[in-house]
Amino acid sequence: AQSVTQPDIHITVSEGASLELRCNYSYGATPYLFWYVQSPGQGLQLLLKYFSGDTLVQGIKGFEAEFKRSQSSFNLRKPSVHWSDAAEYFCAVGVQNDYKLSFGAGTTVTVRA
Amino acid sequence: GAGVSQSPRYKVAKRGQDVALRCDPISGHVSLFWYQQALGQGPEFLTYFQNEAQLDKSGLPSDRFFAERPEGSVSTLKIQRTQQEDSAVYLCASSPGTVLNTEAFFGQGTRLTVV
Repeated sequence: AQSVTQPDIHITVSEGASLELRCNYSYGATPYLFWYVQSPGQGLQLLLKYFSGDTLVQGIKGFEAEFKRSQSSFNLRKPSVHWSDAAEYFCAVGVQNDYKLSFGAGTTVTVRA
Repeated sequence: GAGVSQSPRYKVAKRGQDVALRCDPISGHVSLFWYQQALGQGPEFLTYFQNEAQLDKSGLPSDRFFAERPEGSVSTLKIQRTQQEDSAVYLCASSPGTVLNTEAFFGQGTRLTVV
């Protein structure tokens, strides 16, 4: 079965600074990889996804992520953080031709002025 | 509505009480999922419907949990004889497709607190 590890429980970043959230997965074949954001009182919103092809994927809200097979990682990045990026971020993995996702425990991002 | 709607948003139940959580998916979406999110954890898969058929209930933690989607639209997750460990946010998601290639849209969730 696939699993996801998000090593950082909480990250604090200054507004305007860069952000990187780590995600490592465990799965034998090429996984489908996702990043979701959950703002307080809101549902999960898909930021970006990787299925195949170009290993650098662009998402919404200025986020990008890079799939590195050799490191079993799919880290999320944003060059310049805005106060509205304060939220909880979840990495998730799925299997081709399947329908369910396995989520990491999440990373809470706090943005300071 | 435009998105997935869940009700109630908050539910407090006494231990041993039965509860029913409702999910209104996006109209026309074939797939419907329920996930359970415990405090400080990521969502965990509970069950999956394709139209009215429950194709996977492998994540339901016990036989006290029951889900249905009788007409292939609205779904209800029922928990009988609630226990404290059932306290969590229950998320519903729907998708127009049947595999992960199509995006799943999540509702805001129902926060269940068992006292």
